[in-house]
Amino acid sequence: DGGITQSPKYLFRKEGQNVTLSCEQNLNHDAMYWYRQDPGQGLRLIYYSQIVNDFQKGDIAEGYSVSREKKESFPLTVTSAQKNPTAFYLCASSIDPSHTGELFFGEGSRLTVL
Amino acid sequence: AQKVTQAQTEISVVEKEDVTLDCVYETRDTTYYLFWYKQPPSGELVFLIRRNSFDEQNEISGRYSWNFQKSTSSFNFTITASQVVDSAVYFCALSTPYGGSQGNLIFGKGTKLSVKP
Repeated sequence: DGGITQSPKYLFRKEGQNVTLSCEQNLNHDAMYWYRQDPGQGLRLIYYSQIVNDFQKGDIAEGYSVSREKKESFPLTVTSAQKNPTAFYLCASSIDPSHTGELFFGEGSRLTVL
Repeated sequence: AQKVTQAQTEISVVEKEDVTLDCVYETRDTTYYLFWYKQPPSGELVFLIRRNSFDEQNEISGRYSWNFQKSTSSFNFTITASQVVDSAVYFCALSTPYGGSQGNLIFGKGTKLSVKP
């Protein structure tokens, strides 16, 4: 089945540790995105990539880093510089890189900082 | 600046009732796109509809219908004869590809719909 796979589903981290969230897609989409969702809030864009080896900062990129070495993969690293990392993280992809197309989402990764 | 407001934080209805989820948007751009997504308890968002700013026709898909009115900057979503499976958080979103800070998708805060049997 085609889709977006995020792992792990749940992750616990101690303060000061970096963690990497995985996102893989087999939809052959050029564009991929990372969003953060906090309780009662909408989704906020962290980073996006419109093509391999290129990515752009979103609205809340501070304390996060990404890479896009392969079309299928767009991992997100939550660094120790992120002040409030506990949140639900959603990865998405789109065949249209212009932000006007339908997004396909993974099931998310819930990160809790202890 | 672009903004999406979903004033209803939570709505609770009984099965078979009709329910309307409100969405009001702000943009100065003449070309824009509006979306609705559904987020069931499993977590992933599911695309429901996309509308561009030049197409004000209402749309019906089964029990779902959407009312787009540029005069009031609204893109409301109605579920007819609601079912328990409709229970989810629904997000309205706006994209302005030729304007805004980055042309990305701006989401509202969502409306949590609970449909009770």
